[in-house]
Amino acid sequence: GAVVSQHPSRVICKSGTSVKIECRSLDFQATTMFWYRQFPKQSLMLMATSNEGSKATYEQGVEKDKFLINHASLTLSTLTVTSAHPEDSSFYICSASLGTGVFGYTFGSGTRLTVV
Amino acid sequence: KQEVTQIPAALSVPEGENLVLNCSFTDSAIYNLQWFRQDPGKGLTSLLLIQSSQREQTSGRLNASLDKSSGRSTLYIAASQPGDSATYLCAVVDTGNQFYFGTGTSLTVIP
Repeated sequence: GAVVSQHPSRVICKSGTSVKIECRSLDFQATTMFWYRQFPKQSLMLMATSNEGSKATYEQGVEKDKFLINHASLTLSTLTVTSAHPEDSSFYICSASLGTGVFGYTFGSGTRLTVV
Repeated sequence: KQEVTQIPAALSVPEGENLVLNCSFTDSAIYNLQWFRQDPGKGLTSLLLIQSSQREQTSGRLNASLDKSSGRSTLYIAASQPGDSATYLCAVVDTGNQFYFGTGTSLTVIP
């Protein structure tokens, strides 16, 4: 079945540094990938939709310059949290679309980011 | 914009009980609805997917129903086990392939 690999699973960084999270589709080509954020005890919130070869579409309230998304190939999308602050500490999950629309979604295992 | 609500927010039951989790959504123009399980600090595990044309789906002890016209879905768990303890999320997928997640139900099954 379709597998999405997300890396790293956990990362601790210092305030002011940048962190890159990778989302890879291992056995299929993903034209569209989604990035979600989850605060403790809350549901997932869509941050942005990433389309291969074009700029990502960000949800209202998500800072484009802070959360840089790059989808340079059909198998890789990256989320870079720039100049991270403690309030950026969260659980980030990516999802990739197979493009079929019905069964065509699979999720990464998530990344726990802690900014100290 | 689609809004998805799950009730109850938390549920605690003794082992062996049958239980129902509820999900409601505001816009009936959906493509499909999915139920996920999330263990603490982990990603999502897909449990059941119901296409907009379907009424229910079953997998083992799990049964999910969908009433699109009333904007409701239920997840029925039979003979609950301690290993079922997790947060259960429902997600509505619209015709633009965008997911809208509910707030989740935290389930604790007491041995």
